[in-house]
Amino acid sequence: GEDVEQSLFLSVREGDSSVINCTYTDSSSTYLYWYKQEPGAGLQLLTYIFSNMDMKQDQRLTVLLNKKDKHLSLRIADTQTGDSAIYFCARADTGRRALTFGSGTRLQVQP
Amino acid sequence: EPEVTQTPSHQVTQMGQEVILRCVPISNHLYFYWYRQILGQKVEFLVSFYNNEISEKSEIFDDQFSVERPDGSNFTLKIRSTKLEDSAMYFCASSETSGTNEQFFGPGTRLTVL
Repeated sequence: GEDVEQSLFLSVREGDSSVINCTYTDSSSTYLYWYKQEPGAGLQLLTYIFSNMDMKQDQRLTVLLNKKDKHLSLRIADTQTGDSAIYFCARADTGRRALTFGSGTRLQVQP
Repeated sequence: EPEVTQTPSHQVTQMGQEVILRCVPISNHLYFYWYRQILGQKVEFLVSFYNNEISEKSEIFDDQFSVERPDGSNFTLKIRSTKLEDSAMYFCASSETSGTNEQFFGPGTRLTVL
């Protein structure tokens, strides 16, 4: 199967770190992705990680990948109110381009 | 910064009518995609297009759907005879041919079938 699962909701206070988690069932992924969707907008690609990496850092974003447990996480440091959005993880099978998305995690940042 | 654009932002149609959703991918990208998101559900892949032909398609992409690159800039999705269950947000995306498969999405077209 190609299920990608995420928790639905996360609430944090401004300035705290946010950790959004994702699990997937199919291990034949070359790259895994994080997208952000603000209200009324499209999907914005935030970052991606190659499947043979454990970690990738990009400014306030840190992606951790545990291939053994098929677990992907996105950590946002110093979360701001502008980070409030829905965050989607996505993957594609090796050799394919079609993305399979999780159901999205709504991040609410409280001032 | 280059971006994917889509028109219209909202389309309302009667069941059984044909609709064409339009997209302008990023100019140097060669892969094009359509996804849809039914309200409250996951984003689902429909089809990918490369070198003037479909490269992948999902089970959703049946004979009612077709895609076309009518000129050097536009990429369209046609739904021949719309059904109520076609109501969704339709997203176009594009990517380079690199192996990272970074797909850049447009803002979407909300299709409402009455």
